Amino acid sequence: NAGVTQTPKFQVLKTGQSMTLQCAQDMNHNSMYWYRQDPGMGLRLIYYSASEGTTDKGEVPNGYNVSRLNKREFSLRLESAAPSQTSVYFCASSVGPRGSTDTQYFGPGTRLTVL
Amino acid sequence: AQSVAQPEDQVNVAEGNPLTVKCTYSVSGNPYLFWYVQYPNRGLQFLLKYITGDNLVKGSYGFEAEFNKSQTSFHLKKPSALVSDSALYFCAVRVPISSGSARQLTFGSGTQLTVLP
Repeated sequence: NAGVTQTPKFQVLKTGQSMTLQCAQDMNHNSMYWYRQDPGMGLRLIYYSASEGTTDKGEVPNGYNVSRLNKREFSLRLESAAPSQTSVYFCASSVGPRGSTDTQYFGPGTRLTVL
Repeated sequence: AQSVAQPEDQVNVAEGNPLTVKCTYSVSGNPYLFWYVQYPNRGLQFLLKYITGDNLVKGSYGFEAEFNKSQTSFHLKKPSALVSDSALYFCAVRVPISSGSARQLTFGSGTQLTVLP
């Protein structure tokens, strides 16, 4: 039981390049989330998926797109990377809408640098 | 809107002494409150949560937290700190939602705890 996995662990992009961050969970959770972590700002929600087939914007969605590929996988895409997107990205999952307390479980993160 | 404040960026404590990491929150409605810990270059790990009931919640690694509704606080505590407790600690809050939407967490900015040998 690997929990939440993310690939890649590290990535360096040039401004304007695109890339997709992958996330998968093996806990049969319904809800999945993408956060970014910046120094002194805690974690901010980018997008989330309450259940398979649905996605919604979070606090900071601009410059990102997401795909809920199936129940296990939730990807985050940067179409045209900007230096302001340099950050550490975390994926998380939780039981979902019918979970009573819905604790979120986090992956190890992807450290992205945009030059 | 819900918000969380962690007033201390850094907390230093000597090994063996009690530790407290502070958290205050602002929500409309009854809050669900969480503490997470992040070790260097790792993801966040769940420590404990308050949903309802006893105001003193016990969690992993000997940590506990006290919910105080009148002071809108949820401080994290441990009676005797270990050097291995040194990490970044995050408080988070959400309001229970009856609809089918995902439950969004709002995180504080984090407190770096350093336990000195």
